[in-house]
Amino acid sequence: EVQLVESGGGLVKPGGSLRLSCAASGFSFSNAWMSWVRQAPGKGLEWVGRIKSKTDGGTTDYAAPVKGRFTISRDDSKNTLYLQMNSLKTEDTAVYYCMSSGYWGQGSLVTVSS
Amino acid sequence: EIVLTQSPGTLSLSPGERATLSCRASQSVSSSYLAWYQQQKPGQAPRLLIYGASSRATGIPDRFSGSGSGTDFTLTISRLEPEDFAVYYCQQYGSSPYTFGQGTKLEIK
Repeated sequence: EVQLVESGGGLVKPGGSLRLSCAASGFSFSNAWMSWVRQAPGKGLEWVGRIKSKTDGGTTDYAAPVKGRFTISRDDSKNTLYLQMNSLKTEDTAVYYCMSSGYWGQGSLVTVSS
Repeated sequence: EIVLTQSPGTLSLSPGERATLSCRASQSVSSSYLAWYQQQKPGQAPRLLIYGASSRATGIPDRFSGSGSGTDFTLTISRLEPEDFAVYYCQQYGSSPYTFGQGTKLEIK
């Protein structure tokens, strides 16, 4: 059974940093392209970024609102995906999901507020 | 960036009726890399319904079907069940950034 479990969310002040993790199991993580998607309160889904598998180059792409502030990485030895979020803004407040090939985690809430 | 526009914003129908949801792209979606998701409640993980524009995901009932290519895509629910009333999103994953539509809310009339 495919499982994606996010962790690391919480309350952070504007300008602060936070790192989310996504533990994967039930599929070949090292071969998977992984994405982060977020949903602000009362809003729709917003794609945040993606990392390719290392065999496909391991490159990353980001949505314009987070480019230069967020970094996606992966540790294939731990079957874990990361989202490092720096210079956080109030508009980054959202539930953050990791996903791959249509499978989604349960989400992790990030609240950016003073 | 490919912008996806979903219509209508809200669709009011009764159980047993047919639902037709539209997703229009600002430019051609590469290799029909278009997916449809259902989200029952905000904050609940979306569920993949359709990928590759027309392939049903595992376990999805055959009342759900997807069609289209290029810039125009459609999700059809042939006979609405009570559990189908939710928000539906299309997403293109053919070119980065992998954008979502703004969603269509399917509500009970």
